[in-house]
Amino acid sequence: IQLTQSPSLLSASVGDRVTLSCKGSQNINNYLAWYQQKLGEAPKLLIYKTNSLQTGIPSRFSGSGSGTDYTLTISSLHSEDLATYYCYQYNNGWTFGGGTKLELK
Amino acid sequence: EVQLVESGGGLVQPGRSLKLSCAASGFTFSNYYMAWVRQAPKKGLEWVATISTSGSRTYYPDSVKGRFTISRDNAKSSLYLQMNSLKSEDTATYYCARSYGSFFDYWGQGVMVTVSS
Repeated sequence: IQLTQSPSLLSASVGDRVTLSCKGSQNINNYLAWYQQKLGEAPKLLIYKTNSLQTGIPSRFSGSGSGTDYTLTISSLHSEDLATYYCYQYNNGWTFGGGTKLELK
Repeated sequence: EVQLVESGGGLVQPGRSLKLSCAASGFTFSNYYMAWVRQAPKKGLEWVATISTSGSRTYYPDSVKGRFTISRDNAKSSLYLQMNSLKSEDTATYYCARSYGSFFDYWGQGVMVTVSS
């Protein structure tokens, strides 16, 4: 299964509601996770099984979707959220999307 | 606290071999599948290998199948990645990761592998 993330680069301001998209080439059956990677750091798990928030992750992060289309939403952008975000499917094999880089406008 | 610490990276010539290690602590290592994920410079993430709890089952993408071997020593809470016939396109930071329900919930800090003559 291939994953396509859009946009590849997103510029936003602190306080904005931000939506990142991930589209699979086949049905992912909700086996979709989201990772955040800050510069020079290892990826961090944010969301698994489409909408389950990992322990310790702020509630401003949420996930949704079904079938082939999934979304990560940040309800109110904080400066520390600037990072690259990757979606990842584990329904059929293990595949990462190409990433969306979130930068300050 | 879950900790994963990779080691063994470095500069290696094309066609040569290298073995990475990952020391795990803070959880019952033998209860979890484990994996390696890599990231080429300024590129995205790529899953490299996964191993079952006992080590009896291993999984690889086509890009490394036949060249890389994942293994584990549950008595030592250690994960390994033997990389043979290395190519320039294997240059990347390699992360050790704990697999929980087939997604990765904890990651090490990564180790750099550079394949160059």
